[in-house]
Amino acid sequence: NAGVMQNPRHLVRRRGQEARLRCSPMKGHSHVYWYRQLPEEGLKFMVYLQKENIIDESGMPKERFSAEFPKEGPSILRIQQVVRGDSAAYFCASSPDRGYNEQFFGPGTRLTVL
Amino acid sequence: GEDVEQSLFLSVREGDSSVINCTYTDSSSTYLYWYKQEPGAGLQLLTYIFSNMDMKQDQRLTVLLNKKDKHLSLRIADTQTGDSAIYFCAEKELNTDKLIFGTGTRLQVFP
Repeated sequence: NAGVMQNPRHLVRRRGQEARLRCSPMKGHSHVYWYRQLPEEGLKFMVYLQKENIIDESGMPKERFSAEFPKEGPSILRIQQVVRGDSAAYFCASSPDRGYNEQFFGPGTRLTVL
Repeated sequence: GEDVEQSLFLSVREGDSSVINCTYTDSSSTYLYWYKQEPGAGLQLLTYIFSNMDMKQDQRLTVLLNKKDKHLSLRIADTQTGDSAIYFCAEKELNTDKLIFGTGTRLQVFP
């Protein structure tokens, strides 16, 4: 049973470009969480999605950031018009149900904005 | 608001015990977690404890929870060089599904 998969593992973008980060949850998991880790900091919650539904987006910046988890395919975190402050590691986690006591983390995507 | 605090660094000699401490502010937390992050890698769940428990032991790991003081600790017995990593504590609030992470404690194990 493959774990949570994220790609790309490393992404370099110039200021103003778009970044798309993908997350495939563990098999049988329909709940996905995105977290951001700024350099030398802990992880901060961004958004929690179930297939075709955003459950909690209280940690998402108000502009330029969006997330989706379609019926088919991976969850996508999209950052438009990236700025240097977006440089961070973005982690995805998944769980089989809402309220499940464990979240299983992927290896992360490290975004560098030049 | 939620706040989870940890000391930034801990250095121990190989074979000694390590104790990593964490304080949290939300008394409604249901589960508390310890994750390990090695350089350039994702987070590995080490162990977790339900908030109505005081202690949980799993091989070399012992978790102690003092709910009155909102203090959580992770003890690693017989620390090895492979234990060198950043350790994060996290809490899960009642009626939410998001984890609130601490800033992480960098554990360095020297021979």
